[in-house]
Amino acid sequence: GEKVEQHESTLSVREGDSAVINCTYTDTASSYFPWYKQEAGKSLHFVIDIRSNVDRKQSQRLTVLLDKKAKRFSLHITATQPEDSAIYFCAASNNYAQGLTFGLGTRVSVFP
Amino acid sequence: GPKVLQIPSHQIIDMGQMVTLNCDPVSNHLYFYWYKQILGQQMEFLVNFYNGKVMEKSKLFKDQFSVERPDGSYFTLKIQPTALEDSAVYFCASSSDRGGAETLYFGSGTRLTVL
Repeated sequence: GEKVEQHESTLSVREGDSAVINCTYTDTASSYFPWYKQEAGKSLHFVIDIRSNVDRKQSQRLTVLLDKKAKRFSLHITATQPEDSAIYFCAASNNYAQGLTFGLGTRVSVFP
Repeated sequence: GPKVLQIPSHQIIDMGQMVTLNCDPVSNHLYFYWYKQILGQQMEFLVNFYNGKVMEKSKLFKDQFSVERPDGSYFTLKIQPTALEDSAVYFCASSSDRGGAETLYFGSGTRLTVL
């Protein structure tokens, strides 16, 4: 089955700088890649996704890049703010939100 | 915004006993999911449920597991009998359609400890 590896377990970023989280997947059939954010004491919250028919998607300060050949996707957060501090999870699926396979999560800490 | 509530947040149970984890999904949602996360490991898909039936399940969804949502009440995950390896955090999620993850809402999880 699908395996998703999230390469950074922790990331410390100075406020205003950019943060990048990288994930790789194994199943070439995967076509849907969402990202979730979990703030302390709260449940997972959807932030952005990308489907395999595009290689880039941007939403405000978030950009997701997808490299299907390398089976790699990444989340870029620009102009980081303290409220970006959270655990971020990447995920992959071959069928929209059904049966998502998650990465282990990256704890992002934004410091002043 | 919409919330998925999970009750209880923690449950401790002796091996071999039955446990029921309860999920109160978003009110107009039709698709329901359970995920399992063992400490330090990835969150893994267990099952999804629609229109009174299991639609998909993973190999983690053992014969001892069952799900139901009787009469639009709680969406439940029952484990009978429990085993030590069932200790994990179980996350419930619901969505309004078979769409993208923007429609998928997660609860805060139930931490199950099997002694």
